[in-house]
Amino acid sequence: DAKTTQPTSMDCAEGRAANLPCNHSTISGNEYVYWYRQIHSQGPQYIIHGLKNNETNEMASLIITEDRKSSTLILPHATLRDTAVYYCIVRGANFGNEKLTFGTGTRLTIIP
Amino acid sequence: EPEVTQTPSHQVTQMGQEVILRCVPISNHLYFYWYRQILGQKVEFLVSFYNNEISEKSEIFDDQFSVERPDGSNFTLKIRSTKLEDSAMYFCASSDVSGSGISPLHFGNGTRLTVT
Repeated sequence: DAKTTQPTSMDCAEGRAANLPCNHSTISGNEYVYWYRQIHSQGPQYIIHGLKNNETNEMASLIITEDRKSSTLILPHATLRDTAVYYCIVRGANFGNEKLTFGTGTRLTIIP
Repeated sequence: EPEVTQTPSHQVTQMGQEVILRCVPISNHLYFYWYRQILGQKVEFLVSFYNNEISEKSEIFDDQFSVERPDGSNFTLKIRSTKLEDSAMYFCASSDVSGSGISPLHFGNGTRLTVT
């Protein structure tokens, strides 16, 4: 799986959009970009994933650059409950390549 | 919304004892996983399981570890003889198959294992 690079930490004001960047310059054509978050010591929570098109769901939006070498997770109106570690993970879609490999992620702190 | 459930939430055991961590994956899922997270460290992959056999395992998953799906609903992780360094949060996850391959993993909230 391709490696990802994320900032170690970020702050965002409550109510503002939180934009979390991720670089994945070695991503290959059949690899998806996944985002998870981990609130305190809870289990990782799935947020969103995409291949090349931008995606949006009830939690967030995912913007993937045209060359697919980077992406941005957007939390449109951050709340205090969004304080967590956010993981950007590249994952193949082929059978036999199912696992997720977690890095150190970005610690996002929402400031009141 | 269906979820992965893990029991117990906290298990304390003495070094050398056997422990079994239990998980009930989401009911129609076909792929099952165990991960662990030592305090302050990354979430680490241990093993994946599909069609009643291990499909992949990490270097951490040595002979002391085993997994089983004893019935149609439970998925267990057994550690035969626990060591102090096995103290960690253990997360179970499950996933399904979608038209674009394997669907997202969904995680439980973990079992905190403390080995004394």
